[in-house]
Amino acid sequence: DTGVSQDPRHKITKRGQNVTFRCDPISEHNRLYWYRQTLGQGPEFLTYFQNEAQLEKSRLLSDRFSAERPKGSFSTLEIQRTEQGDSAMYLCASSPSAWGEGYTFGSGTRLTVV
Amino acid sequence: GQQVMQIPQYQHVQEGEDFTTYCNSSTTLSNIQWYKQRPGGHPVFLIQLVKSGEVKKQKRLTFQFGEAKKNSSLHITATQTTDVGTYFCAGRGTLTFGKGTMLLVSP
Repeated sequence: DTGVSQDPRHKITKRGQNVTFRCDPISEHNRLYWYRQTLGQGPEFLTYFQNEAQLEKSRLLSDRFSAERPKGSFSTLEIQRTEQGDSAMYLCASSPSAWGEGYTFGSGTRLTVV
Repeated sequence: GQQVMQIPQYQHVQEGEDFTTYCNSSTTLSNIQWYKQRPGGHPVFLIQLVKSGEVKKQKRLTFQFGEAKKNSSLHITATQTTDVGTYFCAGRGTLTFGKGTMLLVSP
């Protein structure tokens, strides 16, 4: 296991299109997190899962965003009807427990909405 | 909600100079984590602090957690060009990150 993997690395889409990103966490980690990061800002929390259960969603997350982790392994983040303001780096992270160890981040998916 | 503020936002030092970044929370933190993000990279976990007044060291890096558990600091002694990056503190729960301190080190 080489860490947290995210796919694709880059995505360019036209405004109004739907996009889906995938995250494969470290296999023994039961917690998975999605963050969004724009230039000059810290990562902004979007949502997190413990196993397959989605336990928390940011109130900043609009209805156009949905995330799943169907079998408690990989996760997908879908953005419907993309807007230019959705352009950002989408980071996935995993951890083995609530607060015992640090989060391991993936390299992210950079989304550009044109 | 919980907010984490970091100062300074940016610092440029000469190699060999010391560097300190400060993290302040609007609420008491049960613990705090520090991450480093190199330019073009992703955040990498450095350390976690749990106890009031805790001090931890990693080579040239010294991390402190305030007595009231509402602030923390990261001090780098004798910076090197490899220290370049943005340093983030993050509060517990679902990790609320500060905006980070960008460190630039000139040789």
